[in-house]
Amino acid sequence: GDSVTQMEGPVTLSEEAFLTINCTYTATGYPSLFWYVQYPGEGLQLLLKATKADDKGSNKGFEATYRKETTSFHLEKGSVQVSDSAVYFCALSSSSGNTPLVFGKGTRLSVIA
Amino acid sequence: DTAVSQTPKYLVTQMGNDKSIKCEQNLGHDTMYWYKQDSKKFLKIMFSYNNKELIINETVPNRFSPKSPDKAHLNLHINSLELGDSAVYFCASSPSSPRELFFGEGSRLTVL
Repeated sequence: GDSVTQMEGPVTLSEEAFLTINCTYTATGYPSLFWYVQYPGEGLQLLLKATKADDKGSNKGFEATYRKETTSFHLEKGSVQVSDSAVYFCALSSSSGNTPLVFGKGTRLSVIA
Repeated sequence: DTAVSQTPKYLVTQMGNDKSIKCEQNLGHDTMYWYKQDSKKFLKIMFSYNNKELIINETVPNRFSPKSPDKAHLNLHINSLELGDSAVYFCASSPSSPRELFFGEGSRLTVL
């Protein structure tokens, strides 16, 4: 079945460092790909998405490119801030049926000043 | 206006009790979900309803019973609570396509 694998955390970075959180997927067809962010004590919220190969999703300085050839959707940000500290989830939505989003296990990011 | 709202936000109860969590969405979506998030932040789908009809029922003890009175509401009732039920429960909704999820803020259940 469909699955998502993302790098295990926790990831600790200094403010203004470059961030990469790796995400790879296994799916049939052409899934849509998502990154969700969960700030402490809150629910998940959509950070960015891409619905077809080579699409780049971006929001709040974060970017991810849908790479079908490497089945990847890595999350990047050029300069992280303390306020980016959160748990990040990669997810995919199958292209068929009523299957729900499949989530990765989450990567906790801590940014220190 | 909150798009997906769930109540209560916190719930502390004794083993063996029965409790309910309510969820409402005002986004006009046809599909609603319940997810369970454990202490390690793993998210696990429990149920999914589409237009009041159950379409996904993962391997969840039958002590858990979802109820959808209309497509804007999906409630979760839990009987005979156990220690292992302690978690954060998230309600979510989505349009038909793309299946992007909109989450509520979560209900933290603690079973003592």
